Amino acid sequence: EVQLVESGGGLVKPGGSLRLSCAASGFTFSSYSMNWVRQAPGKGLEWVSSISSSSSYIYYADSVKGRFTISRDNAKNSLYLQMNSLRAEDTAVYYCARDRMVGATGVGYWGQGTLVTVSS
Amino acid sequence: QSALTQPASVSGSPGQSITISCTGTSSDVGGYNYVSWYQQHPGKAPKLMIYDVSNRPSGVSNRFSGSKSGNTASLTISGLQAEDEADYYCSSYTSSSTLRYVFGTGTKVTVL
Repeated sequence: EVQLVESGGGLVKPGGSLRLSCAASGFTFSSYSMNWVRQAPGKGLEWVSSISSSSSYIYYADSVKGRFTISRDNAKNSLYLQMNSLRAEDTAVYYCARDRMVGATGVGYWGQGTLVTVSS
Repeated sequence: QSALTQPASVSGSPGQSITISCTGTSSDVGGYNYVSWYQQHPGKAPKLMIYDVSNRPSGVSNRFSGSKSGNTASLTISGLQAEDEADYYCSSYTSSSTLRYVFGTGTKVTVL
């Protein structure tokens, strides 16, 4: 069974930093592209970032480019999101998500999310 | 970088069929058969309901079906049931050099 467990969320002041982690299990982590998707309170889903299986290809939404860094450690079956220069509008539940299939596009599996609150 | 356009709300009575539209551009919905649909109940993570425009993952009811015409994809729920009341989001691969996916604005489905 595919399991994705996010951690690292919390309350941070504007301008601060936070690092999210996602522990993956139940599949060959090193074979799949991974993603971060967020959802602000009462709002819709927003794709944030994607990373290919070997970290060769990385993508960011314009809203986080230059401030967030996605990375992965295939030896530890873990995905990360380093978030710097945080803003109030970054407040959201952050979901770790796996592509549905190897080589396919589209998110197929989701974690339960971790809440990030940016407030003074 | 614009979200795909969905109606804010759609409603129907039990047993009826409803359709949710998802409009994009030739760079996303219209250009690729990589449209997915997700169901999200309050406080829960999204769940994949349709992938690659019209395919259902194992375990998803055959009351859910997907299609696409031009730059617009659609999700149809037939035989509407109370448990179908939720938010629904479409998503598509995008050919932008720096982006990968784009999500729809979301549709609240209400079972009357």
